[in-house]
Amino acid sequence: EIVMTQFPVTLSVSAGERATLSCRASQSVGSNLAWYQQKPGQPPRLLMYGASTRATGIPARFSGSGSETEFTLTISSLQSEDFAVYYCQQYKNWPLTFGGGTKVEIK
Amino acid sequence: HVQLVQSGAEMKRPGASVRVSCRASDYPFTNYGINWVRQAPGQGLEWMGWINPYDGYTKYGQSLQGRVTMTTDTSTSTAYMELKSLRFDDTAVYYCARGCPGSITSCFSHWGQGTLVTVSS
Repeated sequence: EIVMTQFPVTLSVSAGERATLSCRASQSVGSNLAWYQQKPGQPPRLLMYGASTRATGIPARFSGSGSETEFTLTISSLQSEDFAVYYCQQYKNWPLTFGGGTKVEIK
Repeated sequence: HVQLVQSGAEMKRPGASVRVSCRASDYPFTNYGINWVRQAPGQGLEWMGWINPYDGYTKYGQSLQGRVTMTTDTSTSTAYMELKSLRFDDTAVYYCARGCPGSITSCFSHWGQGTLVTVSS
C-alpha cells in the first residue's frame, strides 16, 4: 500500500497570503496525484488531478506541482472561501489512498 | 450536470448490515467507475472500493474484504454498497464518487452528498 503523508497538519494563514501544502508518497506515483478541498458538512471537491491540472471551475489561484513522491498545492492569495481541509490522493495503484489532510485556518 | 444522490441516514445495531444507494444522473452510467469512500467523525478519508458498472467487476480495500459488497443496477443507474457485520468503528459518513475519465484507478470527479451510518447499541 502506498502511504500518503501530508504536512503541515494545520496551516495558519491570513487572507490574501500564499499557502503552500505538501504531500509525500511512500513510493513513486508518477503524476497520478489528486488534491481535494473539503468544507465542514460537505463532500470533498476535486481541485487538481494529474498533479498539476485544475479541475473544471477551479480558480487559477490554485496550482499544483511535483511528481514521483513529492507534491505541492499552492494557493496564491487565500480567499475567505479557501479555509478548509485539503487532501491529496494517489491513484497509481490499488488500494487508492489519501493523505491525512491539511487544515488551512485563519490566522 | 452530473449528480450522485445517496440514500438517507441509517442507524444500525452492531452485527447488522446496511445498504447505501447512490443514484447517478446526467452521464452514461456504464462509462465511469463508482468508488465508495468513508469518513469517520472528525477523521480523514478512507477508500473502500470500486465497481465498474459496465461489467460489475469490483476491487475492495483490504481492511473491508469479506464484509463489503458493491453492486450496480444499470437499469436505474444506481450503485449500492452493503456493509455486513457492522461494528462501532464503522460509524462514518459514506460517500459514493464517480471516477475521473481515462483510467480504472483514478481520481474522483463527482461526489454524492454523503450518507451517515451510525452503529449504536
